[in-house]
Amino acid sequence: GAVVSQHPSWVICKSGTSVKIECRSLDFQATTMFWYRQFPKQSLMLMATSNEGSKATYEQGVEKDKFLINHASLTLSTLTVTSAHPEDSSFYICSAMSNVWRSPQYFGPGTRLTVT
Amino acid sequence: AQSVTQPDIHITVSEGASLELRCNYSYGATPYLFWYVQSPGQGLQLLLKYFSGDTLVQGIKGFEAEFKRSQSSFNLRKPSVHWSDAAEYFCAVGAITGGGNKLTFGTGTQLKVEL
Repeated sequence: GAVVSQHPSWVICKSGTSVKIECRSLDFQATTMFWYRQFPKQSLMLMATSNEGSKATYEQGVEKDKFLINHASLTLSTLTVTSAHPEDSSFYICSAMSNVWRSPQYFGPGTRLTVT
Repeated sequence: AQSVTQPDIHITVSEGASLELRCNYSYGATPYLFWYVQSPGQGLQLLLKYFSGDTLVQGIKGFEAEFKRSQSSFNLRKPSVHWSDAAEYFCAVGAITGGGNKLTFGTGTQLKVEL
């Protein structure tokens, strides 16, 4: 149980284009989803928190107009990197948790984004 | 603000040897504590969690961790390491904010297992 998937697992896009990453909870309802960014050999940096049906809450320093997050259903959240640039290349990981008391976060397998 | 320190960036152990990965946290209230493991190019897998109660927590894959409030520590242990345990290990502390469980991660410990 508690499986989270991400699609695509890797993507290459050209500078200036936009790319969408999907995060799905496969066997539970995710009332809250999180998006992280991880640079090589570094820890995870929380980008934003989204609750189903609400606007995402972004961490300080994260551009909300560049990283668009939508959490339209209890099983799906999307991260759209708009007008991507090479510095946006990174490993993006989502996590999901239910509204069960003390539910931990379950993580997706991550998406490797390369902007050329 | 909460924070997590994992003082060991790299650890190398021989297969079959015991393992202890250190984690110290800073948090103003009773912490929610987690250990996750990440294989190369993969997401994070939850090994174990502590919310309250028994301070010795059992997890998957034979791992356990002990919460010591007096030392602000939550060290991860395994009595006999297998080669497949080689991975990156992250300790995290969680806080309930705005209905979510916001995690702060340590910088990770890279475990290498020598055969």
